Amino acid sequence: AQSVTQLGSHVSVSEGALVLLRCNYSSSVPPYLFWYVQYPNQGLQLLLKYTSAATLVKGINGFEAEFKKSETSFHLTKPSAHMSDAAEYFCAGAGGGADGLTFGKGTHLIIQP
Amino acid sequence: GAVVSQHPSRVICKSGTSVKIECRSLDFQATTMFWYRQFPKQSLMLMATSNEGSKATYEQGVEKDKFLINHASLTLSTLTVTSAHPEDSSFYICSASADRGFYEQYFGPGTRLTVT
Repeated sequence: AQSVTQLGSHVSVSEGALVLLRCNYSSSVPPYLFWYVQYPNQGLQLLLKYTSAATLVKGINGFEAEFKKSETSFHLTKPSAHMSDAAEYFCAGAGGGADGLTFGKGTHLIIQP
Repeated sequence: GAVVSQHPSRVICKSGTSVKIECRSLDFQATTMFWYRQFPKQSLMLMATSNEGSKATYEQGVEKDKFLINHASLTLSTLTVTSAHPEDSSFYICSASADRGFYEQYFGPGTRLTVT
């Protein structure tokens, strides 16, 4: 069964600093992996996805993530944080193309001015 | 493209009543729709998966007689919370998938249900 673990319920970075949000997955099969962002009282917006093509995935708003099978990780990064990046971020995975998603607990990203 | 809407965005109902939430794919045909619930400051939990014209598949621990799901067309799925209780108060989010081969879900904006 697929499970997703996000390390750190809260991450605080200064504006302009590197953003690193951690996600590890456990699965017996190659997974589909996603990062979503959620603003207060809103639905989820897809940032990027991994579907077994390139291991380095580029998404919207300058975010990217690297799939590392040896580390079972799919960490999300952004070189330079912007105030508008403050939100809740969810890592999610699925074992198959018709499966519902398993979400991590989420990481609240705080941007310090 | 790939827009999913939900209606209503917020609903308040009295304990014991039923409430229906609609999820629509506006510009694509959704072969599969998913329903999630999210408690305050928590993650999303998958409730059920529905394929057009078929009975929904519920996750373990989700009462199918309480959370009725209908996916009668390729653009509409409904979730009816029957005999709602205060503990059913939550944020309900649907998602829709257009293509089972290349996997991606498009999420609706969510419905905030408050049961008084």
